[in-house]
Amino acid sequence: SQQGEEDPQALSIQEGENATMNCSYKTSINNLQWYRQNSGRGLVHLILIRSNEREKHSGRLRVTLDTSKKSSSLLITASRAADTASYFCATVRTSGSRLTFGEGTQLTVNP
Amino acid sequence: NAGVTQTPKFQVLKTGQSMTLQCAQDMNHEYMSWYRQDPGMGLRLIHYSVGAGITDQGEVPNGYNVSRSTTEDFPLRLLSAAPSQTSVYFCASSYRTSPRLTEAFFGQGTRLTVV
Repeated sequence: SQQGEEDPQALSIQEGENATMNCSYKTSINNLQWYRQNSGRGLVHLILIRSNEREKHSGRLRVTLDTSKKSSSLLITASRAADTASYFCATVRTSGSRLTFGEGTQLTVNP
Repeated sequence: NAGVTQTPKFQVLKTGQSMTLQCAQDMNHEYMSWYRQDPGMGLRLIHYSVGAGITDQGEVPNGYNVSRSTTEDFPLRLLSAAPSQTSVYFCASSYRTSPRLTEAFFGQGTRLTVV
């Protein structure tokens, strides 16, 4: 079964607004990663946050991690039409060597 | 650097045929993996390898074989194609740091249709 579950499944916003996507997972992790997938393309890594980190920033991206709640959030600020894509969280467990993906959030940014 | 290269990009197979999806990376990554992605779904892990000569099963390994004879290459073999294997297949590679995985680099995918 999928380790991570994203919420919401789909999100539609206007350009300039912020987009927040959430990810929940089930087991203890070493790190959690967020990826973006444009339609019909491969996945591109966005950001990695380790289990001993609580928040991380990269450009317009902000990721938080709450290991007590087994959840993470991805915030995209000042969104652009080019941010339209599917966003996936993926976890690496403390035991094992797998990168396990959730089902993703489809983000649509309307111009 | 080419990154992760998958071939072919598109393939149509008849039920019962076999084929090999190719994956090569030029980043000297220890870890390589194969995923399948079905419409509207996330990625499900088929097989993975933590180094040359070492492979292991993921979530959905049935009907697929892999081998890892070199660090660079990780082919995925469909033994006897079935319509349920119609999907988009992605190969990925990453570094392992003591021994946890870091960011994964993905190929562009192979869109497979089994009729």
